[in-house]
Amino acid sequence: AQKITQTQPGMFVQEKEAVTLDCTYDTSDPSYGLFWYKQPSSGEMIFLIYQGSYDQQNATEGRYSLNFQKARKSANLVISASQLGDSAMYFCAMRPLNSNYQLIWGAGTKLIIKP
Amino acid sequence: EAEVAQSPRYKITEKSQAVAFWCDPISGHATLYWYRQILGQGPELLVQFQDESVVDDSQLPKDRFSAERLKGVDSTLKIQPAELGDSAMYLCASSSGQGGHSPLHFGNGTRLTVT
Repeated sequence: AQKITQTQPGMFVQEKEAVTLDCTYDTSDPSYGLFWYKQPSSGEMIFLIYQGSYDQQNATEGRYSLNFQKARKSANLVISASQLGDSAMYFCAMRPLNSNYQLIWGAGTKLIIKP
Repeated sequence: EAEVAQSPRYKITEKSQAVAFWCDPISGHATLYWYRQILGQGPELLVQFQDESVVDDSQLPKDRFSAERLKGVDSTLKIQPAELGDSAMYLCASSSGQGGHSPLHFGNGTRLTVT
């Protein structure tokens, strides 16, 4: 069965510190994509970063980077120099690359940045 | 950057009434999704369209929910009759392809309250 696990229901982090949000996944498909989304309290779901299972390098997008450890089936999101505006729910999601399977979502982590 | 448009932003309705949500995807995006999200949980796929065809509606409660995308562009999701348990955020998303590497881009969502 395909599954995403986010073990941190909530996190408090001091402003300007780096943050690591954990995500582990389970799949038998050899090719898949991993996504991270941010959902502020206003409700919109914002795409942050994508990692393909065959990508050789970890994905980076501005202050966001993905620590991809394929053997451990881990795809942690790292936010550098956190800002107050980073306070939100963060969701990890996965989908096989060559099929029409729906996106599998984790339960999310609520991140609160303290001033 | 082009956005997914959704309306209304908020909707309050009484149980047993009909309610409809509208979504206009990013231009050129062939794949359109409707999700339902209960507060504090990950999104749940209701229906997926490829152009005007339904690809997956296995999670859509078809006795009361219907969705259409007649010309393969904008889409409408309807609930009739609404029940108290339908109170949730309804998110529309689109992607340029069905493959796992294509990120979903979401609209701002419709927050539905059924009284």
